[in-house]
Amino acid sequence: DVKVTQSSRYLVKRTGEKVFLECVQDMDHENMFWYRQDPGLGLRLIYFSYDVKMKEKGDIPEGYSVSREKKERFSLILESASTNQTSMYLCASREGTGRNEQFFGPGTRLTVL
Amino acid sequence: GEDVEQSLFLSVREGDSSVINCTYTDSSSTYLYWYKQEPGAGLQLLTYIFSNMDMKQDQRLTVLLNKKDKHLSLRIADTQTGDSAIYFCAESRQAGTALIFGKGTTLSVSS
Repeated sequence: DVKVTQSSRYLVKRTGEKVFLECVQDMDHENMFWYRQDPGLGLRLIYFSYDVKMKEKGDIPEGYSVSREKKERFSLILESASTNQTSMYLCASREGTGRNEQFFGPGTRLTVL
Repeated sequence: GEDVEQSLFLSVREGDSSVINCTYTDSSSTYLYWYKQEPGAGLQLLTYIFSNMDMKQDQRLTVLLNKKDKHLSLRIADTQTGDSAIYFCAESRQAGTALIFGKGTTLSVSS
């Protein structure tokens, strides 16, 4: 079974702090994604990566950056957290061919005070 | 429009059938998916349908695809309280790009 893990289930940070959200997948997938989920807005794509050291902006990249130094790990960085970044963050991975199913991690609920 | 659209809420009684509807946008989408999200959890793939199929059945789940109208539906037979969750419809537009998700339908099952 594919496993996607995220470093924290719950996180509380202060405005202005630098925040790292880590995601690891164990199935050698090329593609990895970061979404945020907010009530009434569904899932919105922040960034994705289709290979090591490669990244592409999604629909809402402002205020975020990402890092993919190893194939299995995709990090989301909030350089200076703000209260409007309080949200549920979901990581996903997917192999590049075939059924294109995305496998999701359990999510990190981030609260910025 | 550009969005995958779903109704936001559905409420049913235990034992009834639930039907969740979705309209998608890209007629060339190869696969269409239904994901389920239980409270406090990530999304899990429930079922999917390949675009050259009209229907797919998997135990209590039936997926119907109308390509002409770009309409996808998920029917859950004999709905149980454990089916209470958010259900997301998604389409795969291009290989190598992210799936496009609807906003999710919250299914509430009362006993």
